[in-house]
Amino acid sequence: QKEVEQNSGPLSVPEGAIASLNCTYSDRGSQSFFWYRQYSGKSPELIMSIYSNGDKEDGRFTAQLNKASQYVSLLIRDSQPSDSATYLCAVKGGTSYGKLTFGQGTILTVHP
Amino acid sequence: KAGVTQTPRYLIKTRGQQVTLSCSPISGHRSVSWYQQTPGQGLQFLFEYFSETQRNKGNFPGRFSGRQFSNSRSEMNVSTLELGDSALYLCASSFIGIGDYGYTFGSGTRLTVV
Repeated sequence: QKEVEQNSGPLSVPEGAIASLNCTYSDRGSQSFFWYRQYSGKSPELIMSIYSNGDKEDGRFTAQLNKASQYVSLLIRDSQPSDSATYLCAVKGGTSYGKLTFGQGTILTVHP
Repeated sequence: KAGVTQTPRYLIKTRGQQVTLSCSPISGHRSVSWYQQTPGQGLQFLFEYFSETQRNKGNFPGRFSGRQFSNSRSEMNVSTLELGDSALYLCASSFIGIGDYGYTFGSGTRLTVV
């Protein structure tokens, strides 16, 4: 079992729709959870971080965390073509200094 | 506020050579982590430094090493390069304090080994 798994893509949604990206993790001691966006040829960019169970909203992005189910998700509302990118889920354990464990990424395409 | 700066952006090296990559973190960030990104393996953690001390290390051979200086700048070195070392090498920095903080990545160094 991979440590961090993301829903297999690619994911294609029409402009204006909600894109839903999912991630499960195996280490119950994980404490910090991040979503990164990576455009082709660029480096990952942090878009959301979440540390407590529940929802966290930031503009069109909502991160959801359920530690009991070891599940974290990212919702993108009113998706735009500029949201087309690879989305990476990253998990950090409590004592894993500086170590983020990444999922394989989900490629999202938002078509006009 | 300047971001994480990595140099050089691109490198082409021959098998057997060694290479040194540099990373300057965001001002005030004392934790610097290094990652290797390849199409097949994705993003994999190499090591993390804080206050000039390596606190964590990933599952890479000893050919991969690093260090951090008193100004938090970091370097990583790869000796005896192999074709499989061709990858995007990313550095990330983070503020260390009460609570947890995200990690900001630099633009990366694209290493090609021929």
